[in-house]
Amino acid sequence: EAGVAQSPRYKIIEKRQSVAFWCNPISGHATLYWYQQILGQGPKLLIQFQNNGVVDDSQLPKDRFSAERLKGVDSTLKIQPAKLEDSAVYLCASSPRQGTNTGELFFGEGSRLTVL
Amino acid sequence: AQSVTQLGSHVSVSEGALVLLRCNYSSSVPPYLFWYVQYPNQGLQLLLKYTSAATLVKGINGFEAEFKKSETSFHLTKPSAHMRDAAEYFCAVSSGYSTLTFGKGTMLLVSP
Repeated sequence: EAGVAQSPRYKIIEKRQSVAFWCNPISGHATLYWYQQILGQGPKLLIQFQNNGVVDDSQLPKDRFSAERLKGVDSTLKIQPAKLEDSAVYLCASSPRQGTNTGELFFGEGSRLTVL
Repeated sequence: AQSVTQLGSHVSVSEGALVLLRCNYSSSVPPYLFWYVQYPNQGLQLLLKYTSAATLVKGINGFEAEFKKSETSFHLTKPSAHMRDAAEYFCAVSSGYSTLTFGKGTMLLVSP
């Protein structure tokens, strides 16, 4: 079974530029998550989708971050314009069901963003 | 509200020694608890999870954790460390239908 795919793995941009990350979850997984992992910290949830609807985006900085999950499959996370503090690894995860209390999240390898 | 505190950002052990990584949680409802491992340049992988069944949970790679409600703890242990166990370990909590909240992580260093 193929895992969660993410691209690009690495991206370097200058502040105020834009960047987009792509995620393809495990086939059949209804729930998709984007986490931000800043160096030295644990992952922080940015947004959760159930199929193609948003379940939780309370911690997404909506003035600069946006995400979509068209057709309930793959997803794109965009940052525009980027700030220095956006330097982090962006992790995509998927789960076969809604809610995470008894379920396991399957993570991709992440996309590392460096903002100069 | 829910939160996780991992004591010690780095833990160093010798190969063959006991591994103990500490995790304390805070939750207003009965929690579900998880340990994830992250190897360099890789995503997170589930080690084990507690979901209100047995309080002693066994996971992959010889790791286990014990849920202690009175101490609000979920410490991760392994009797004998291997070099391949060197990685970063994250404790996480979920309550009800809330999403996972992760701790800041503990880097495990294993010396020969």
